[in-house]
Amino acid sequence: EIVLTQSPATLSLSPGERATLSCRASQSVSSYLAWYQQKPGQAPRLLIYDTSNRATGIPARFSGSGSGTDFTLTISSLEPEDFAVYYCQQRTNWPLTFGGGTKVEIK
Amino acid sequence: EVQLVESGGNLVQPGGSLRLSCAASGFTFSSYAMSWVRQAPGKGLEWVSGISGSGGPTYYTDSVKGRFTISRDNAKNMLYLQMNTLRAEDTAVYYCAKVTTFGGVITGDAFDIWGQGTMVTVSS
Repeated sequence: EIVLTQSPATLSLSPGERATLSCRASQSVSSYLAWYQQKPGQAPRLLIYDTSNRATGIPARFSGSGSGTDFTLTISSLEPEDFAVYYCQQRTNWPLTFGGGTKVEIK
Repeated sequence: EVQLVESGGNLVQPGGSLRLSCAASGFTFSSYAMSWVRQAPGKGLEWVSGISGSGGPTYYTDSVKGRFTISRDNAKNMLYLQMNTLRAEDTAVYYCAKVTTFGGVITGDAFDIWGQGTMVTVSS
C-alpha cells in the first residue's frame, strides 16, 4: 500500500497569504496524484488531478506541481473560503489511498 | 445537473448487515467507474471499494474484503454497497464518488463528483 504523508498537519495563515501544502508518497506514484478540499459537514471537492490539472470550475489561484514522490499544492493568495482541510490521493496502485490531510486555518 | 444521492445508512449492531445505495443522475452512468469512500468521525478519507462501468472488475481495501460487496445496476443508474459482518471500526460517513475519466474502464482515478454521504454507525 502506498502511504501518503501530508505536511504540515495544520497551516495558520491570513487571507491574502500564499499557502504551500506538501504530499509525500512512500513510493513513486508517477503523476497520478489528486488534491481535494473539504469543509466541515461537506463532501470533498476535487481541485487538482494528475498533479497539475485543475478540475472544472477551480480558480486559477490553486495550482499543483511535483512528480514521483513529492508533490505540492499551492494557493497563491488565500481567500476566506479557502480555509478548509486538504487531502491528496494517489491512483497508481490498489488500494487507492489518501493522505491524512492538512488543515488550513485562519491566523 | 450531475448528482449523486446516497441512502441506507443507519445504526446497526456489530455483526449486522446494511445495504447502501447511491442514485446517480445527470450523466451517462454506465460510462464511468464508481467508488465508495468513507470517513470515520473526525478522521480522514479512506477509499473502500471501486467498480468499473460495466460492473466487471471490482476492487476492495483489505479491511473490507470478504465482508463488503460493491455492485451496480446501470439500467437504474444505481450503485450499491452490501456490508456484512459489520464492526465498530466501520462506523463512518460513506460517500459514493464518480471517477473523472470517461469510458468506464479506468476504475482507479480521481473523483470529480461526490454525494452528500450517508452515516453508518455500528454499535450495540
